[in-house]
Amino acid sequence: KAGVTQTPRYLIKTRGQQVTLSCSPISGHRSVSWYQQTPGQGLQFLFEYFSETQRNKGNFPGRFSGRQFSNSRSEMNVSTLELGDSALYLCASAGGTDDTDTQYFGPGTRLTVL
Amino acid sequence: DAKTTQPTSMDCAEGRAANLPCNHSTISGNEYVYWYRQIHSQGPQYIIHGLKNNETNEMASLIITEDRKSSTLILPHATLRDTAVYYCIVRVEVKAAGNKLTFGGGTRVLVKP
Repeated sequence: KAGVTQTPRYLIKTRGQQVTLSCSPISGHRSVSWYQQTPGQGLQFLFEYFSETQRNKGNFPGRFSGRQFSNSRSEMNVSTLELGDSALYLCASAGGTDDTDTQYFGPGTRLTVL
Repeated sequence: DAKTTQPTSMDCAEGRAANLPCNHSTISGNEYVYWYRQIHSQGPQYIIHGLKNNETNEMASLIITEDRKSSTLILPHATLRDTAVYYCIVRVEVKAAGNKLTFGGGTRVLVKP
């Protein structure tokens, strides 16, 4: 099976712009989670989507949003970018229904905000 | 999710076993222990998980103490490619809380020739 794919892999934006990142889960997986990784805060959970519905949400401002499509692909959007949004954004997919649902991560999108 | 405590860093010799400890003294009965590793700037890679029994797969072994308050990840024959940050994570079963992993600082493992 192909793994989790994320596009683009690298992105440079300027403050105030908005950005959309895309994640394609492993075939058959219905859960997609997003994480932000920065040197200062480490890996932090943003949100999870399951069957097109947000099932879980981390402690991030409303500028961070996401959605999931019927084919389980997911996008996350960050509006009004700030310098502190520079980070590696990781997507993880899982089956979504088992008690011990293992998440598999993609390679990430590295976002730089200038 | 219960909090975990791991050493900040550790070295091990290539070809030797690497034993990575993790303390999770507040773990609850429905919480699993997961291990992931992250090689520099790549996405975290799943290694193994367990509830209360010891587990082994092609990558590693997971030893969980009887009281479940701590665990050890064992890489049986460390190679240079095992150099990474290793994260021990405790998480509630999915039906209770969905999919959410809470990462701590992890252990930075350096395998030396």
